Amino acid sequence: QVQLQESGPGLVKPSETLSLTCTVSGGSVSTYYWSWIRQPPGKGLEWIGYMYNHGGSKYNPSLKSRVSISLDISRNQFSLTMNSVTAADTAVYYCAKEVVVPGSMDHWFDPWGQGILVTVSS
Amino acid sequence: QSVLTQPPSVSGAPGQGVTISCTGTSSNIGAGYDVQWYQRLPGTAPKLLIYGHNNRPSRVPDRFSGSKSGTSASLAIAGLQAEDEADYYCQSYDSSLSGWVFGGGTKLTVL
Repeated sequence: QVQLQESGPGLVKPSETLSLTCTVSGGSVSTYYWSWIRQPPGKGLEWIGYMYNHGGSKYNPSLKSRVSISLDISRNQFSLTMNSVTAADTAVYYCAKEVVVPGSMDHWFDPWGQGILVTVSS
Repeated sequence: QSVLTQPPSVSGAPGQGVTISCTGTSSNIGAGYDVQWYQRLPGTAPKLLIYGHNNRPSRVPDRFSGSKSGTSASLAIAGLQAEDEADYYCQSYDSSLSGWVFGGGTKLTVL
C-alpha cells in the first residue's frame, strides 16, 4: 500500500524559492504519476502539476512559469520547487499519486500525503 | 473562486440522507469528463471516495454514491453516521484550463 509524506520548511521569505519533498513508501516512484496539490487558507484545492518517470510532466498553466517537479528514484522521492513566492503561495501543500486512465484525461488522486503548511512571510 | 462550485455546508441527522452538488461548465463536467469525490476527515489527508463513473474503492461503503447530469454532479450519502462528518471535494478535468480542477469543498455536519 502506497504511503506518502511531505517534508520541507514551513516558512519561506517572499521572492525566495519554496522546496518540498515527498517520500514514497510501499511503491516505486519509477512507476505511476506523482502530483502536488495545494490549498490556501479558506480556499479550495488547486492542482499544481505531475511528473512521471522518463521525464514526462504537466503543470497548471497558471503556475507553469514558476514550478518544477522532479523525481529522485534512488531515494524514492519526488520534489516540488516553486520560485519567486509571494504571500499568495501560503497554503497546505499535498503530494499525491495521480491515477491515470490511458488515453483519457480522467485522472484522480489516491492516496494523498498528510499535507504540510507553508507560510510565505518575511 | 474555485472552478467547480459546491455549497459551503450541508447537514443532516443520523440515519438520514444528504446530497452534495458540484456545478461545473461545458469545459469540464459538461464536456463529459468524470467527476471524482474526496472526503477529508478533521486533521487527516483527503481520501478518494468516488472515481470514474460512480466507482468506489473497496474500503468505501456503498452508502456513498455519485451521479452526473449535464454540467453538474452530485454525491449522495445514505444513512448518515457521525463518522461521516467531514469536508467533501469534487474534482474533474477542465479542457479550457488544460488541467485538473476541484470544487471549493462542502462541510457536512451530522446533527
